[in-house]
Amino acid sequence: QVQLQESGPGLVKPSQTLSLTCTVSGGSISSGSHYWTWIRQPAGKGLEWIGRIYTSGSINYNPSLKSRVAISVDTFKNQFFLKLSSVTAADTAVYYCASLPFGDYEFDYWGQGTLVTVSS
Amino acid sequence: QSALTQPASVSGSPGQSITISCTGTSSDVGGSNYVSWYQQHPGKAPKVMIYDVSNRPSGVSYRFSGSKFGNTASLTISGLQPEDEAVYFCASYTSSSTLYVFGTGTKVTVL
Repeated sequence: QVQLQESGPGLVKPSQTLSLTCTVSGGSISSGSHYWTWIRQPAGKGLEWIGRIYTSGSINYNPSLKSRVAISVDTFKNQFFLKLSSVTAADTAVYYCASLPFGDYEFDYWGQGTLVTVSS
Repeated sequence: QSALTQPASVSGSPGQSITISCTGTSSDVGGSNYVSWYQQHPGKAPKVMIYDVSNRPSGVSYRFSGSKFGNTASLTISGLQPEDEAVYFCASYTSSSTLYVFGTGTKVTVL
């Protein structure tokens, strides 16, 4: 069974770049079987889809974040990454990584989430 | 793209049935065959319970069922059990460049 685990700093200063890693185990990120996705949830609010990457290099971003977000993948380390630049307090949220089977439309596996707080 | 609307909380006694609604627009729920539902216990990763509006993944109890009418999707839990107490949220694939939109989440309490 595929497992995903987010990691990264829990505190980021305003205007800096938030960087998170999702480590995938129990499956190969380069198998082509999944899109690899980032999702976030600000406190007291609903979930927000950030973007997804396929190992072919195809990437889709939420238009509301597109100017600040970058998702990448390292197939050798079986990891994928999120970078969000110029962060503000509004970017404080629990960040989840999740997998989306290629050709399907539901997120089949999720990480437990990691809280990132933007504060000076 | 706005979040899908769900009731903040729903409660029921063991053995009862409850239904959680998820209301969107014609650009998401109403125009999509790809609505999914997730269960999340505190501190745990979300788990998919329903996909493609009404399909159950292998291993998910038959007590969970999904449906859709117009711009509103619904998750019904029948024969409510204590372990069903969790937060449930919906998600919809959309016809816009915001590929996915999620519900606001519903806290289910088993009385």
